[in-house]
Amino acid sequence: DIQMTQSPSTLSASVGDRVTITCRASQSISSWLAWYQQKPGKAPNLLIYDASSLESGVPSRFSGSGSGTEFTLTISSLQPDDFATYYCLHYNSYFRTFGQGTKVGIK
Amino acid sequence: QVQLVQSGAEVKKPGASVKVSCKASGYTFTSYYIHWVRQAPGQGLEWMGIINPSGGSTSYAQIFQGRVTMTRDTSTSTVYMELSSLRSEDTAVYYCARGRTFISSWFDYWGQGTLVTVSS
Repeated sequence: DIQMTQSPSTLSASVGDRVTITCRASQSISSWLAWYQQKPGKAPNLLIYDASSLESGVPSRFSGSGSGTEFTLTISSLQPDDFATYYCLHYNSYFRTFGQGTKVGIK
Repeated sequence: QVQLVQSGAEVKKPGASVKVSCKASGYTFTSYYIHWVRQAPGQGLEWMGIINPSGGSTSYAQIFQGRVTMTRDTSTSTVYMELSSLRSEDTAVYYCARGRTFISSWFDYWGQGTLVTVSS
């Protein structure tokens, strides 16, 4: 099974900061990776699919990059609405695996 | 618009079973796969399995093999997830989510989640 290692597990940042979250796959998953944002008590919300494609309606400050085993989610200028937990998801096989999550908090 | 509406919260005793439903609307039910994902309190997301609403075929995560059963009712566009032999560690929010293909597809829509509490 493919393992996804996400880092950091938590980070503190200020409004306006550039934030980067990384996901590493235990083997190559091509570009079969998505990023989700989750707020307390809510279902995850799709941000990025196929590693770098922005989901319709998602602000352009969110971007994704990478392929193979290393992937990055970047928030170019953190906004108050962005304080949440972020997860990566691989879909290289029928058996999906999520990263452990990154909680973005206020510094 | 696409909606996945799940059944309400459940409280079960250890050893019992729970059956959670996920009713789809706003798209052709048999054209998309449904996944189940759970999230224990304060924890991350855990994939449980997938069902093809068209033919009913399923694949489950190994850790749930033998305890989970996913079924569908095409007449009501509803998918069900039944988990048996419940233990306290199964206390979690259970989500259904839609995917376009068996592999190589992300989850684009999610249900609102169903809290299952296992307690004596």
